[in-house]
Amino acid sequence: EAGVTQFPSHSVIEKGQTVTLRCDPISGHDNLYWYRRVMGKEIKFLLHFVKESKQDESGMPNNRFLAERTGGTYSTLKVQPAELEDSGVYFCASNAGTYRGYTFGSGTRLTVV
Amino acid sequence: QKEVEQNSGPLSVPEGAIASLNCTYSDRGSQSFFWYRQYSGKSPELIMSIYSNGDKEDGRFTAQLNKASQYVSLLIRDSQPSDSATYLCAVTGGNNRLAFGKGNQVVVIP
Repeated sequence: EAGVTQFPSHSVIEKGQTVTLRCDPISGHDNLYWYRRVMGKEIKFLLHFVKESKQDESGMPNNRFLAERTGGTYSTLKVQPAELEDSGVYFCASNAGTYRGYTFGSGTRLTVV
Repeated sequence: QKEVEQNSGPLSVPEGAIASLNCTYSDRGSQSFFWYRQYSGKSPELIMSIYSNGDKEDGRFTAQLNKASQYVSLLIRDSQPSDSATYLCAVTGGNNRLAFGKGNQVVVIP
């Protein structure tokens, strides 16, 4: 089966610009997650979709971040306007059921300059 | 207090030796425990999952869980150069979200 796909793999933007990250989960996986790793820190949870619904968005840092999953398939994560501290690697993951390990995408490395 | 702690620094082991990694967690309600392997610049890859106290073996990997002491460990037997990577401990509770440790870098020396 195809894995979790993320693009772009890298993005360099200027402070104040907008960036949209996309994630295509494994087909049939209702659960989709966004995580972020800031340099030197551990991977941190951002939010969790079950199909098209936001199950838990308690990890979203602030209202500059907007995630959507229209139709319960792929998801987008928009950062607007981007700040320097938003730089990091954004991972998407999916799984079919709770309490099971996820399959991660290869991540999007975001650099805000 | 961090949710998941991996305190050891980089671990260097000779090829063929056993690599031992430890992880502690703070939430007693945690239910699922995972070890991920991450090569530089790549995505985390699930290598072990464990849900009940005791040992679980899969090939050269053994995960050990002790819920009373709130720790989980990973043993890598017969370490190979291809095992050189960062190993991430991750834990989930009732909210189904993973809490990660910072990871331990393992270097297997040929």
